[in-house]
Amino acid sequence: EVQLVDSGGGLVKPGESLSLSCAASGFTFTNAWMSWVRQAPGKGPEWIGHISSNPDGGTTDYIASVKGRFTISRDDSKTTLYLQMNSLKTEDTAMYYCIWNDGGLDYWGQGTLVTVSS
Amino acid sequence: DIQLTQSPSFLSAFVGDRVTITCRASQGISSYLAWYQQKPGKAPKVLIYAASTLQSGVPSRFSGSGSGTEFTLTISSLQPEDFATYYCQQLASYPRTFGQGTKVEIK
Repeated sequence: EVQLVDSGGGLVKPGESLSLSCAASGFTFTNAWMSWVRQAPGKGPEWIGHISSNPDGGTTDYIASVKGRFTISRDDSKTTLYLQMNSLKTEDTAMYYCIWNDGGLDYWGQGTLVTVSS
Repeated sequence: DIQLTQSPSFLSAFVGDRVTITCRASQGISSYLAWYQQKPGKAPKVLIYAASTLQSGVPSRFSGSGSGTEFTLTISSLQPEDFATYYCQQLASYPRTFGQGTKVEIK
């Protein structure tokens, strides 16, 4: 069974940093392309970035609004995906979901809530 | 980036009604489209993927069709538990964009 367990969310002040984790199991993580999606309160989901598998180069891409502030990384030995978020803004407040991109079907974690407020 | 336009944004219907939601892509995406249902406080749940494949465990009253740039999600007989917000998502390329959502409420 595919499991994606998101963790690390919390309340931080503007300008602070936070690191999210996603523990993956039930599929071959080494070959998986992974993404992070967020959903602000009352809004639709927003894809924020992805990382390819290491065999495919381990490359990352991000939406413009987080580029330079957020970093996606992975540890295949721990089957864990990470999202390092720096210089957080109030508009980054959202539920953050880890996603496994399995071709035409995405699997979602349960999400972890990030609140940025002074 | 591929833009997805969902219509309508809001839909009010009776239990038992047939409901159709449309999703249009700004460029061709073959059949790389998924439909999600989201209830308050929950993660989106995939209903349909590859435009027309029913996810395991999803009731057969849900169906999807289309390819290229125009897609539909149909609920053949709306049930009380179907009142929720529905999103389409394209999986043809990154960024994997979403429609703006359709909220289905009880009439």
